[in-house]
Amino acid sequence: NAGVTQTPKFQVLKTGQSMTLQCAQDMNHNSMYWYRQDPGMGLRLIYYSASEGTTDKGEVPNGYNVSRLNKREFSLRLESAAPSQTSVYFCASSVGRVAEAFFGQGTRLTVV
Amino acid sequence: QQQVKQSPQSLIVQKGGISIINCAYENTAFDYFPWYQQFPGKGPALLIAIRPDVSEKKEGRFTISFNKSAKQFSLHIMDSQPGDSATYFCAASATRGGADGLTFGKGTHLIIQP
Repeated sequence: NAGVTQTPKFQVLKTGQSMTLQCAQDMNHNSMYWYRQDPGMGLRLIYYSASEGTTDKGEVPNGYNVSRLNKREFSLRLESAAPSQTSVYFCASSVGRVAEAFFGQGTRLTVV
Repeated sequence: QQQVKQSPQSLIVQKGGISIINCAYENTAFDYFPWYQQFPGKGPALLIAIRPDVSEKKEGRFTISFNKSAKQFSLHIMDSQPGDSATYFCAASATRGGADGLTFGKGTHLIIQP
C-alpha cells in the first residue's frame, strides 16, 4: 500500500531556479492538498484540489502554482524559488473536507 | 490571524504520567477536530478525531475532550510511554465554507522521559 508518494525527498535550489514537486495517491481520493511546514509554524495550506480539474488557493499561495493532472496526481511548482520558500512540503489526500487526511513523507527543500 | 491556537509548545512528561495538550479555535464553522502525530522525518498521521456533537472520545490511551461553548479541545495521553515522544498537532476543518483542508495549530513537541 503506497498511499501518498512524493518526489523528490530532498532538493537544493539556487534562488531563481524553478522546480516541480510531484505527488501521487493510490486511494482514489477526491481531495488533494499541498502544505508547507516551518519550525514553530505548524502546517500551512498552500493550495488544494477538491476534485479533478479544480484547484484553489489556501493560506499561503504566493510564489506557487499547482496542477491537478488527474485524480491521482497533484503537482506543486515553484517558478522562481526564493530563500523564503525553504521548507518541508507535504502532499496529502482525503476523501473529503472533514475526513482523515493521509500525508506523504515530505520533500525537504532548501533554497540558497 | 491564527485560527487554531495550541499550547504548550513543548512538554516533558515522565513515563506513566498524563500528557495534556490544549487547543482553542475561533471559527465557529469548524465541525471536525483531528489530532495528528508526527515523528521526525515522517509525515503527520491521524491519531484521533472528534466531531462537536460529542464531548469526549477515547481510543486506547488517547482521549479528546471537547468544549463547544468555550471553543476548546484537548488531547490527553494516559500512561505516557517513550514511544509517544513526537510532535502533536491539533487541527480543524469545516464541512462548508472557506477553504477545503485542515487548519493546524503550531504543534507541541512531547518528550516522555523513561
